[in-house]
Parts: sequence; structure tokens; C-alpha cells
Amino acid sequence: NAGVMQNPRHLVRRRGQEARLRCSPMKGHSHVYWYRQLPEEGLKFMVYLQKENIIDESGMPKERFSAEFPKEGPSILRIQQVVRGDSAAYFCASSSRQGRLDTQYFGPGTRLTVL
Amino acid sequence: GDSVTQMEGPVTLSEEAFLTINCTYTATGYPSLFWYVQYPGEGLQLLLKATKADDKGSNKGFEATYRKETTSFHLEKGSVQVSDSAVYFCALSDGGSQGNLIFGKGTKLSVKP
Repeated sequence: NAGVMQNPRHLVRRRGQEARLRCSPMKGHSHVYWYRQLPEEGLKFMVYLQKENIIDESGMPKERFSAEFPKEGPSILRIQQVVRGDSAAYFCASSSRQGRLDTQYFGPGTRLTVL
Repeated sequence: GDSVTQMEGPVTLSEEAFLTINCTYTATGYPSLFWYVQYPGEGLQLLLKATKADDKGSNKGFEATYRKETTSFHLEKGSVQVSDSAVYFCALSDGGSQGNLIFGKGTKLSVKP
């Protein structure tokens, strides 16, 4: 059973470009969470999605960031017009059920560098 | 809001030393508690968890007990190895229906031979 997959592992963008990060959850998991890890910081929740639905986006910046989890294919975190402050590691996690009792399994992360 | 506070690092120990990494939390309701480990350049791996008061999570020689009276979930290991060198994160679920995790800032552990 393959784990959570993320690609690319490393992404370099210039200021003003778009960054698109992909996450394929574990087989059988329909709940996806995105977290951001700034240098020397813990992870911060960004958004929680189920298939075709955004359940909680309270941690997403109000502008330039969006996320989707279509019926088919991976979840996508999109950052438009990137700025240097977007440089961070972005982690995706998946679980088979929602709620506090279920375990989230993390992918290896995408490390975004904005030049 | 809910929060997690863990001891700041870095922590440097000699091989076979005893490890304690303190973690305390603030939460409404009844959160689940987790320890995750992050090896250099990798994602987070679940180390252990506890879902209710007095539960003890354990894995690979690591243990942590959910103490509701002291709102703590300290990580311990009796004899660390060089391969335990990593960053350790304490986390809680937000206690609501969503299950979003709230993380501490992480504690970097270095074990010297």
C-alpha cells in the first residue's frame, strides 16, 4: 500500500510565477489536509478537503492560494504570483476518516523556493 | 484557541542516554495527542499517539502518557541511539469534527556516539 505521494519534491519559482503542488493520498483515503512549514517552525494547518469539497480553509491566506481535490486525480495546492515569503515546505496528509480519532499520514513534502 | 508548547531545542545527548522532551497543551474538549518525527529532508512520520486521558502511546522504545491533570504528553526513551537524531513534533487534534492537527514548534534531537 503506497504512502502519501507528493510532487514535485522540490520546486523553484521566480517571484510572480505560479506554483502548483500535487498530493495523492493513500489508497482508500478520501480526506486530505495541507500544512505549511516555515523555516525553524512547526507545521501550520492550511486547508482540509474531501473529494470535490473544501471542508475547512481557515488556515489559507485570503489571496493567491487555492486548493482542490477533484473526483479523479490528486489534490492540488495552487499559489499564484508567488512571493519570497511563500518559500516553505508544504506537506500533505491523508486519513480514511475525519475527526480527532483518525491518524493522518504525511507525504514527503514539497519544498518551494521563490527566487 | 488550542495550542501546543514543547521544549525548545536543540537537545544533544550521548548514545544510551535517557531522553525526555516536554510537551504541554491547551485545548477545549478532549483532543487526541500525537508525537511525529521528522528525519532530515523527509516528511513527518507518526511515532505514537494517545486518544484519551491516561492512555500510553509507545513505539520503537519511545513512550508518552496522556496526562489530563497536567495537560501534558511528554516523550521519553530510556536509551537513545544515533539513529534517533531527528526533529520531534508534539501535536493535538483540534477537538472538533475536522481533526486538523495543531503542532508545537518541534525539538531537534542530536545523539552523539
